[in-house]
Amino acid sequence: NAGVTQTPKFQVLKTGQSMTLQCAQDMNHEYMSWYRQDPGMGLRLIHYSVGAGITDQGEVPNGYNVSRSTTEDFPLRLLSAAPSQTSVYFCASSYLAGQETQYFGPGTRLLVL
Amino acid sequence: AQSVTQPDIHITVSEGASLELRCNYSYGATPYLFWYVQSPGQGLQLLLKYFSGDTLVQGIKGFEAEFKRSQSSFNLRKPSVHWSDAAEYFCAVARNNNDMRFGAGTRLTVKP
Repeated sequence: NAGVTQTPKFQVLKTGQSMTLQCAQDMNHEYMSWYRQDPGMGLRLIHYSVGAGITDQGEVPNGYNVSRSTTEDFPLRLLSAAPSQTSVYFCASSYLAGQETQYFGPGTRLLVL
Repeated sequence: AQSVTQPDIHITVSEGASLELRCNYSYGATPYLFWYVQSPGQGLQLLLKYFSGDTLVQGIKGFEAEFKRSQSSFNLRKPSVHWSDAAEYFCAVARNNNDMRFGAGTRLTVKP
């Protein structure tokens, strides 16, 4: 049982490039989410999904797209990277939304030049 | 919208000393409250959570937290800190997982 996995661990992009951050979980969790972590600001919710085919925006969705075609995978897409998107990105999952404990992946560190 | 304040950016304690990390929240209803710990280069791990009932909550690794509605606080405590407790600690408040707000974090350093 690998839990929540994220790839890559580290990525450098140039402004305007696109990329996809991968997130997968093998716990059959319905709820998945993406956060970004910036110094002095804690974690902020970007997008979330309560099940396959259902996604919604969080606190800071601009510049990011998501899709949820399977229960296991929840990729985060940056269509045109900007320096303001330099951050550490965490994916999390839980069995259901609500009171369930969220399990976090190890994070992806992204640098946009 | 709810918000969380962790007044202490960085705290240093000696190994074996007691610890209290402060957390204040702003929320119109009874919140769900959480404490997470993040070791360097790692994701977040849940220490404990409060939804209702007994206001003193026990968590993993010997941590506990007390919910005080009158003070809008949910402070984290540990009676005797170990060197392995050095990490960053985050308080969070939510109605549910869809709208969880994190504090900025408190970095804990443990002196030998």
